[in-house]
Amino acid sequence: SQQGEEDPQALSIQEGENATMNCSYKTSINNLQWYRQNSGRGLVHLILIRSNEREKHSGRLRVTLDTSKKSSSLLITASRAADTASYFCATEGNFNKFYFGSGTKLNVKP
Amino acid sequence: GAGVSQSPRYKVAKRGQDVALRCDPISGHVSLFWYQQALGQGPEFLTYFQNEAQLDKSGLPSDRFFAERPEGSVSTLKIQRTQQEDSAVYLCASSPIPPSSGGVNAEQFFGPGTRLTVL
Repeated sequence: SQQGEEDPQALSIQEGENATMNCSYKTSINNLQWYRQNSGRGLVHLILIRSNEREKHSGRLRVTLDTSKKSSSLLITASRAADTASYFCATEGNFNKFYFGSGTKLNVKP
Repeated sequence: GAGVSQSPRYKVAKRGQDVALRCDPISGHVSLFWYQQALGQGPEFLTYFQNEAQLDKSGLPSDRFFAERPEGSVSTLKIQRTQQEDSAVYLCASSPIPPSSGGVNAEQFFGPGTRLTVL
């Protein structure tokens, strides 16, 4: 399977701290995306990083991609209670398939 | 502008009943995806449409699952003779371009999902 897998499965931090989530995948990719899902809602796209990029920033988000290790990390700096959600990485492989991992459940305590 | 909408938001079905789940993608989006999300898991790919063509249905778990997008816009996911293991949230997503192009706009826009409970 090409599915990305996130770790940790759950992460609990205090507001203001940084949160780091990791994603590993198995085969070559065109790009990797990170999504957020609030409880009971649909997924919201956060950031896309292409296979020829190593790092990308968007506001308080920083994503890295290491294709040699087949891994990516999502860093949320200065976390807020509103960042509490599940975070998924999605890899795009061949034949139009997107694969999502099982997610990291982030809890930011106020 | 309007995002992806899905209806119904919640559906309770008795085992053996047929259900139909509707997805209204963002207007003009070429690609449409259906996913199944079990509790505590990530979305699992079911099927993909490019306009009205169903290019990939390899994720459909059985022949009881059927999806269509006859005019290249609205899509319906039908599940026949529902079973308890079909209970999940069914997510629809659309994208303005085909995913294999890997372009900047390859992100998918998700609807809120339909939570199906089969009793």
